[in-house]
Amino acid sequence: AAGVIQSPRHLIKEKRETATLKCYPIPRHDTVYWYQQGPGQDPQFLISFYEKMQSDKGSIPDRFSAQQFSDYHSELNMSSLELGDSALYFCASSPHSNTQYFGPGTRLTVL
Amino acid sequence: SQKIEQNSEALNIQEGKTATLTCNYTNYSPAYLQWYRQDPGRGPVFLLLIRENEKEKRKERLKVTFDTTLKQSLFHITASQPADSATYLCALDLPDRSNTDKLIFGTGTRLQVFP
Repeated sequence: AAGVIQSPRHLIKEKRETATLKCYPIPRHDTVYWYQQGPGQDPQFLISFYEKMQSDKGSIPDRFSAQQFSDYHSELNMSSLELGDSALYFCASSPHSNTQYFGPGTRLTVL
Repeated sequence: SQKIEQNSEALNIQEGKTATLTCNYTNYSPAYLQWYRQDPGRGPVFLLLIRENEKEKRKERLKVTFDTTLKQSLFHITASQPADSATYLCALDLPDRSNTDKLIFGTGTRLQVFP
């Protein structure tokens, strides 16, 4: 069965650079979530989209933005990167039910 | 704010025994509670969901209970195997007026099953 696809899987950036993470949800899933997981931490909710509209916002810095496109894929844009942004970034999709299906994550390292 | 605590950072048990993991939460009572498994460097994998009006739910060797009075969920793995070794996260929904159900995760319990 198709799973959530995230790209890239690994990304290395310098401080103050910009990064774009992509997420391709499971077909026919209308909801996308973004989470950030720091080393040894639990996943923290960043933002979600339902039917291409932003639905909810969590602890997402103003330097970050995201959107969901007409084909339901989503992109997380991160600007003015800081060392503390180094983390695993997970995308999850849901068929508008309670269960969320997580992607493999993008490991972002900021040097 | 909602706080979720999971028992001990690590749980070591012998193969064949039953592993019991605890999830306690404060403040608001969620409509449902979920358990996920996470292997190092990989995304959480959904295991079970239990609703507030359900006391117990089972799936193969897994069993989850939900006590809304105690604000606690117990997650059991019977006949544990080394392949069950992973971090297990409990997660609650946060109620709001949006169309989506964002999850609040506990810090997780790392389970190690040794032969």
